[in-house]
Amino acid sequence: NAGVTQTPKFRILKIGQSMTLQCTQDMNHNYMYWYRQDPGMGLKLIYYSVGAGITDKGEVPNGYNVSRSTTEDFPLRLELAAPSQTSVYFCASSYSQQYEQYFGPGTRLTVT
Amino acid sequence: QQPVQSPQAVILREGEDAVINCSSSKALYSVHWYRQKHGEAPVFLMILLKGGEQKGHEKISASFNEKKQQSSLYLTASQLSYSGTYFCGTGDFGNEKLTFGTGTRLTIIP
Repeated sequence: NAGVTQTPKFRILKIGQSMTLQCTQDMNHNYMYWYRQDPGMGLKLIYYSVGAGITDKGEVPNGYNVSRSTTEDFPLRLELAAPSQTSVYFCASSYSQQYEQYFGPGTRLTVT
Repeated sequence: QQPVQSPQAVILREGEDAVINCSSSKALYSVHWYRQKHGEAPVFLMILLKGGEQKGHEKISASFNEKKQQSSLYLTASQLSYSGTYFCGTGDFGNEKLTFGTGTRLTIIP
């Protein structure tokens, strides 16, 4: 039981490049979330999903896109990377708001 | 709106007690508590639900005051392993997402 896995662990992008952050969970959770955490700050919700085919915006969705074609996978797409997107990105999953969220190990992204 | 945590940071000696507060401007349905160590992902501590009982395990417990829209996390006889940043996450009824607080950095020294 791997829990929540994220790839890659680290990535450096040039301004204007695009990339996809991968997130997979094997706990059969319907709810999945993407957060970003800037240095010394809290977690900001980017997008979330309550099931396959359903996604919704969080607090800071601009510059990102998501899809949820399966229960297990919830990739986050960055288009036209900007320095303001330099951050650590965490994916999480849960049964619902009333249950704990399990976090992946995070992806550290630098845009230069 | 983001819940406000207090204090922002606290330094304790091993064995001392700590209280971390989380206040929201919205009516709450659930409050989650997580601890994050430097360079790692947040780890779940406990959940409190509206109308539910105070939760706790070992030397960490929490309370939920629905009227005041507040939750408090109590760490008793703190250990070195308790060091880290503590976040509350609040959820309102019918909303499937959490809003995380500003964080409280706890440092335990020998």
